[in-house]
Amino acid sequence: QSVLTQPASVSGSPGQSITISCTGISSGIGVFNYVSWFQQHPDKAPKLIIFDVSNRPSGISNRFSGSKSGNTASLTISGLQAEDEADYFCTSYGTSTFYVFGTGTKVTVL
Amino acid sequence: QVQLQQSGPLLVKPSQTLSVTCAISGDSVSSDTVAWNWIRQSPSRGLEWLGRIYFRSKWYSDYAISVKSRIAINPDTSSQFSLQLNSVTPEDTAVYYCAREKGALDIWGQGTMVTVSS
Repeated sequence: QSVLTQPASVSGSPGQSITISCTGISSGIGVFNYVSWFQQHPDKAPKLIIFDVSNRPSGISNRFSGSKSGNTASLTISGLQAEDEADYFCTSYGTSTFYVFGTGTKVTVL
Repeated sequence: QVQLQQSGPLLVKPSQTLSVTCAISGDSVSSDTVAWNWIRQSPSRGLEWLGRIYFRSKWYSDYAISVKSRIAINPDTSSQFSLQLNSVTPEDTAVYYCAREKGALDIWGQGTMVTVSS
């Protein structure tokens, strides 16, 4: 059901920066400033870390940042830490449904 | 602090109805600034939005086209809402999440594992 494409995996060493892309040709990414990013640890519920493309909820580290260009949104994690090892999902409005989710990216800290 | 607590794991037979509840603490299902969503996650389908309800002087609902003919989301009490999905098949096996929407899907329940099997 996912119509937002993400890389299956991204890895980096502690302290490095990584970027995860989220592309959706038929989604609302290019139209609306509604893109959210979620972090999900194994057997846990998704946790909101970015909303409205680039805003962080209270309590979320400023090491997480979001941006958008055309039909592609991006999540950057700077100063990578062991606790950042998790799955990451993007979401946006869809053209035929209210929310569409990304395929998910597994982040590995080397 | 808003929290969502979901009912426990389910085993449902094919063609029957799946029912999951979500108990809200720290907010109200009839708040006019939020919406209450159901989302599911499975290895084969990933994350899939199913639908939502919200109150703006009266109740409204939105459902995903993929399940529109067999889904119902209802407010049960001021602090609980529920998901019903009928005529289930093994394809409906997934972890089901409730989530509050306040500008974004900001608060999630812990998830309910639903298995459809005879």
